[in-house]
Amino acid sequence: QVQLQESGPGLVKPSQTLSLTCTVSGGSISSGNYYWSWIRQPPGKGLEWMGYIYYSGSTDYNPSLKSRVTISVDTSKNLFSLRLSSVTAADTAVYYCARDSLKGYYGVDVWGQGTTVTVSS
Amino acid sequence: QSVLTQPPSASGTPGQRVTISCSGSSSNIGSNTVHWYQQLPGTAPKLLIYSNNQRPSGVPDRFSGSKSGTSASLAISGLQSEDEADYYCAAWDDSLNGFVVFGGGTKLTVL
Repeated sequence: QVQLQESGPGLVKPSQTLSLTCTVSGGSISSGNYYWSWIRQPPGKGLEWMGYIYYSGSTDYNPSLKSRVTISVDTSKNLFSLRLSSVTAADTAVYYCARDSLKGYYGVDVWGQGTTVTVSS
Repeated sequence: QSVLTQPPSASGTPGQRVTISCSGSSSNIGSNTVHWYQQLPGTAPKLLIYSNNQRPSGVPDRFSGSKSGTSASLAISGLQSEDEADYYCAAWDDSLNGFVVFGGGTKLTVL
């Protein structure tokens, strides 16, 4: 059974770059027609899809974040990563990594437990 | 403001049937599949319904989904106290280069 685990700093200063990693266990990131997503949830608010990546490196991003977001994959380490630049307090959220499908056809069926990132000086 | 529109709250008593609506447009619900997620307090969301009306293994058949045109609904029958949670709808949106959009979420209270 595939499991996902987020890791990275819990505190980031304004204007800096937020970097998180999601380690995939129980299966290969390169197998199956899966896409690997980042989804975030600000405190007390709803879910926001940030983007996803295929093991080949193909990506799609949320237009509202596209200029600041980069998602990358390392198949040799079975993980994928998120970088969000020029962060502000509005980027404070729980960040989830997740397993998705092409164009979200089958929904997000596996979620990490989430990691809280606070943007503050 | 979310692309998909859900009522912020819903409620029911144990045993009742409750429905939660999700309204979108031709670029999302109207042309793509809809999914529903359940989020219990302090936990990650869980896939409840996928591809409009399919239940993942382990999800009770008390939960059902439907879609018509640019709207979708989640129905919960035989409401139980453990169903108290936040519920989100989601769909792919074909505008721009395409991306996933979520509803703002519905807080379900079991009275």
